[in-house]
Amino acid sequence: GENVEQHPSTLSVQEGDSAVIKCTYSDSASNYFPWYKQELGKRPQLIIDIRSNVGEKKDQRIAVTLNKTAKHFSLHITETQPEDSAVYFCAAYVTGNQFYFGTGTSLTVIP
Amino acid sequence: KAGVTQTPRYLIKTRGQQVTLSCSPISGHRSVSWYQQTPGQGLQFLFEYFSETQRNKGNFPGRFSGRQFSNSRSEMNVSTLELGDSALYLCASSLVTLAIGAGELFFGEGSRLTVL
Repeated sequence: GENVEQHPSTLSVQEGDSAVIKCTYSDSASNYFPWYKQELGKRPQLIIDIRSNVGEKKDQRIAVTLNKTAKHFSLHITETQPEDSAVYFCAAYVTGNQFYFGTGTSLTVIP
Repeated sequence: KAGVTQTPRYLIKTRGQQVTLSCSPISGHRSVSWYQQTPGQGLQFLFEYFSETQRNKGNFPGRFSGRQFSNSRSEMNVSTLELGDSALYLCASSLVTLAIGAGELFFGEGSRLTVL
């Protein structure tokens, strides 16, 4: 089955700096790649997603890039703010199958 | 629109017991999937139900089971609990069954199970 690896597991940045989280996947049939944010004690929520026919997608300070050849995708957060502190999960979906999640990245934005 | 509701939020059981968790999806969502979240392991897929039918199952032992009712509410059951079953169990609802496509998953707040 699909295997999703996520790095780094923890990340600390100064407020205003950028943060980048990377995920790799193994199944070339994966075609949908969402990112979920989970604040402490709260439910995961979708923040951005990308489908396999697109290379990059942006939403204000958040962007996701996808490299299908290398089988990796990344989350970019610019101008980080303290409220960006959370655990971020990447996932890959194979049609007819399920979501495979990464192990999460705990992001801390230091004021 | 009400979000996904899970009950109970917290529970403590002892080894060998069984537990039932409940999930009420967003109105109109017929797909409910369940995930186990543990530190360092991320979210691991347990199974998905759509229109009262299990559509897919993850790599968990048969002690983990579920069902879905005609109103789309779902339950999962874990029998003969083991210490390693301690985790946050999340359910998520979506409009489309994972068997044919993917869209946003709307998660509940989870049921935190502690096995002593």
